[in-house]
Amino acid sequence: EAGVTQFPSHSVIEKGQTVTLRCDPISGHDNLYWYRRVMGKEIKFLLHFVKESKQDESGMPNNRFLAERTGGTYSTLKVQPAELEDSGVYFCASSRTLGETQYFGPGTRLLVL
Amino acid sequence: AQSVTQLGSHVSVSEGALVLLRCNYSSSVPPYLFWYVQYPNQGLQLLLKYTSAATLVKGINGFEAEFKKSETSFHLTKPSAHMSDAAEYFCAVSDPGGYQKVTFGIGTKLQVIP
Repeated sequence: EAGVTQFPSHSVIEKGQTVTLRCDPISGHDNLYWYRRVMGKEIKFLLHFVKESKQDESGMPNNRFLAERTGGTYSTLKVQPAELEDSGVYFCASSRTLGETQYFGPGTRLLVL
Repeated sequence: AQSVTQLGSHVSVSEGALVLLRCNYSSSVPPYLFWYVQYPNQGLQLLLKYTSAATLVKGINGFEAEFKKSETSFHLTKPSAHMSDAAEYFCAVSDPGGYQKVTFGIGTKLQVIP
């Protein structure tokens, strides 16, 4: 069974540009989560999808961040326009049902210059 | 609200020595507790989890953790460190009754000295 995959693994962009991160959850997992780790800080929750619906987006920093999960399969997280403080590692996780273990992807390392 | 405190952002142990990584949590409801590990250039991997069954939880690679409600602790231990244990370890908590978002500690980098 393939694990959670994320693309790209690294991204370096300039302030003001747009970046789109992609997450492919484990097949059959209805729950998809995005987390972010800013350097030196904790890994923090951003949002949670159940299938294609946003269940909880309380962790999204501001309206420059837009997450989608069309069709309930893969998800994208777009940052537009990117700011310096958006740099960090963005993790995606998925679980089959609520209460089951969340399996994490390798993360996307975003650097905004 | 839930929170996790990991004592020691960096821990060094000699190969063969006991590994002890400390974690204290705060939760208004009986929590689920986790330890995740991140090896260099890899994603987060679940080491073990506590979900209100046995208080002593055994995980992969010889690690175990004990849930102590009176101390609000969930420390991670391994009797004998291997070089391959060098990684960053994250303690985490979630609310079983909620939507399962996980709250992480800041992480502890474990260095194993030959």
